[in-house]
Amino acid sequence: GAVVSQHPSWVICKSGTSVKIECRSLDFQATTMFWYRQFPKQSLMLMATSNEGSKATYEQGVEKDKFLINHASLTLSTLTVTSAHPEDSSFYICSAGTGISGMNTEAFFGQGTRLTVV
Amino acid sequence: DAKTTQPPSMDCAEGRAANLPCNHSTISGNEYVYWYRQIHSQGPQYIIHGLKNNETNEMASLIITEDRKSSTLILPHATLRDTAVYYCIVRPRVSNAGKSTFGDGTTLTVKP
Repeated sequence: GAVVSQHPSWVICKSGTSVKIECRSLDFQATTMFWYRQFPKQSLMLMATSNEGSKATYEQGVEKDKFLINHASLTLSTLTVTSAHPEDSSFYICSAGTGISGMNTEAFFGQGTRLTVV
Repeated sequence: DAKTTQPPSMDCAEGRAANLPCNHSTISGNEYVYWYRQIHSQGPQYIIHGLKNNETNEMASLIITEDRKSSTLILPHATLRDTAVYYCIVRPRVSNAGKSTFGDGTTLTVKP
């Protein structure tokens, strides 16, 4: 099946620094990708929709200036956590649907990135 | 998207069938039922989806009631590696599959 790959799998950074997480669709083109965040013992929460060639759309309560999303190609979306703080420590997951605009198909998720801010 | 209700946890003996229920009483006619699972510290994995007919694939079977207000995911012969959180999600037909509203899911523990 289709594969979505995230990098890095885990990262530890100092408070105040920025961290970039990559999400790639390896064998299909994804005009739209999605970013989720998952805190310990909680479910996945959608953060934003990443649109190739245009601005991302953010869910209510998610700071767009803190979580910068770039979707410069049909196979790559990046999430940059700027000026990270310990409360940003979480499990970040991307997803994409295959098929025409990802509709009516299964979704594929990246393996997730564990961010720890110290 | 329609809300789903799942039991928070279930146990299953290894080798036995695991039957995971999901209630989606407010589902509308244009919404699919999807099932994903998440093994600890990994991204979710697609299992199966359906509209109104029962579905089966190499991983599981999906039984949807005639009124579509509930469904059951069946893992026919559970193994220890099936221990995971299972999410039942309802999504409109015309929507991007990558965008889903996750509930709390059911933590399935398969025991030897």
